[in-house]
Amino acid sequence: GAVVSQHPSWVICKSGTSVKIECRSLDFQATTMFWYRQFPKQSLMLMATSNEGSKATYEQGVEKDKFLINHASLTLSTLTVTSAHPEDSSFYICSARAGGSGDSTEAFFGQGTRLTVV
Amino acid sequence: KQEVTQIPAALSVPEGENLVLNCSFTDSAIYNLQWFRQDPGKGLTSLLLIQSSQREQTSGRLNASLDKSSGRSTLYIAASQPGDSATYLCAVNFNKFYFGSGTKLNVKP
Repeated sequence: GAVVSQHPSWVICKSGTSVKIECRSLDFQATTMFWYRQFPKQSLMLMATSNEGSKATYEQGVEKDKFLINHASLTLSTLTVTSAHPEDSSFYICSARAGGSGDSTEAFFGQGTRLTVV
Repeated sequence: KQEVTQIPAALSVPEGENLVLNCSFTDSAIYNLQWFRQDPGKGLTSLLLIQSSQREQTSGRLNASLDKSSGRSTLYIAASQPGDSATYLCAVNFNKFYFGSGTKLNVKP
């Protein structure tokens, strides 16, 4: 299957700082990328959907000013957690899909980034 | 909001048993459904993908079925092994992917 690379795999940052997480599709062009977060012992919750070259669409309850998503190219999307606080500590996972909105192509997932805010 | 439910939440079985994991969803207008496994502290490993036009998919000891009209999918694991111990997640593609809460499987030697 296609490969989605997520970097870094883990990061520790101080409260109040910002952290950027990268998601790259290595062998295909990702028209659509999704960002999820997972709290301990819980399932993945969709945060936002981004399409290349346009603004991300955020799920209800997700602060767009806190979680900045950029999808500037067909192979790269970034999630920036701004002014991070301990409650933002979580496991963040991205996924990428070659098709556009409404497509039935498979989505491929990165290996996740564990963020710890101290 | 789309909802995806998985039962049971946890399952413990002796090695060798056949088992069934269940996934249900509230809207039958789906594009496809994927089953994943997740090991503790790790990312997702894709197991099977079923398109909305398909009824089942098989890979080795795994068989996934889809009944779109009733909003259900099952993952059948044959001859379970301790290495199958993990959390199993189903994700339903309603254009966006929504995940169930998972079934934590423990296969005892």
